[in-house]
Amino acid sequence: DAGVTQSPTHLIKTRGQHVTLRCSPISGHKSVSWYQQVLGQGPQFIFQYYEKEERGRGNFPDRFSARQFPNYSSELNVNALLLGDSALYLCASSPLDRGLYNEQFFGPGTRLTVL
Amino acid sequence: AQSVSQHNHHVILSEAASLELGCNYSYGGTVNLFWYVQYPGQHLQLLLKYFSGDPLVKGIKGFEAEFIKSKFSFNLRKPSVQWSDTAEYFCAVNAGGGGNKLTFGTGTQLKVEL
Repeated sequence: DAGVTQSPTHLIKTRGQHVTLRCSPISGHKSVSWYQQVLGQGPQFIFQYYEKEERGRGNFPDRFSARQFPNYSSELNVNALLLGDSALYLCASSPLDRGLYNEQFFGPGTRLTVL
Repeated sequence: AQSVSQHNHHVILSEAASLELGCNYSYGGTVNLFWYVQYPGQHLQLLLKYFSGDPLVKGIKGFEAEFIKSKFSFNLRKPSVQWSDTAEYFCAVNAGGGGNKLTFGTGTQLKVEL
């Protein structure tokens, strides 16, 4: 079975631009979470989506938004890019959201560089 | 807010040496605890997890971790490391009670020398 896939692999943008990152969860997984991993740090939680609804949000500005589609894939959007948004963006999927923690499976990430 | 501290940022060991990586968290309620590993060029993979029960948990590749509630710690151990264990190791916490949010530590870069 295919794991979590993310596209693109790498992306270079300039300050002020907008970016869209995409994630396809493992087949059968309905929950998707997004994390930002800045070089030298651990991943930081951005969003969780389940059944197309936002279920959790981390401490990120409103420039960050996301959505989940009927097929459970997801997009992360970042507006008005700043140099500090340069990071590896990770997507993780999990099978269910029963109100309890479900094991998350991580994708390879999208490396975003903002110049 | 939850936070996770990993005390060792870089560790260098020789093959067959024993490994212990420290992890402390700050959160007063029920927690789920994890260790993830990221091998060079690969994505994050789950090594082991603790939800409840026996505080000594065993994971893949001979790793184990011990949850000590009184010390808010979840240290990772391996009796004898191999060169293939060279990777970055992350401790993570999920506040029990719902939601998938993981709070990660800053990571420990382990290098095992032949």
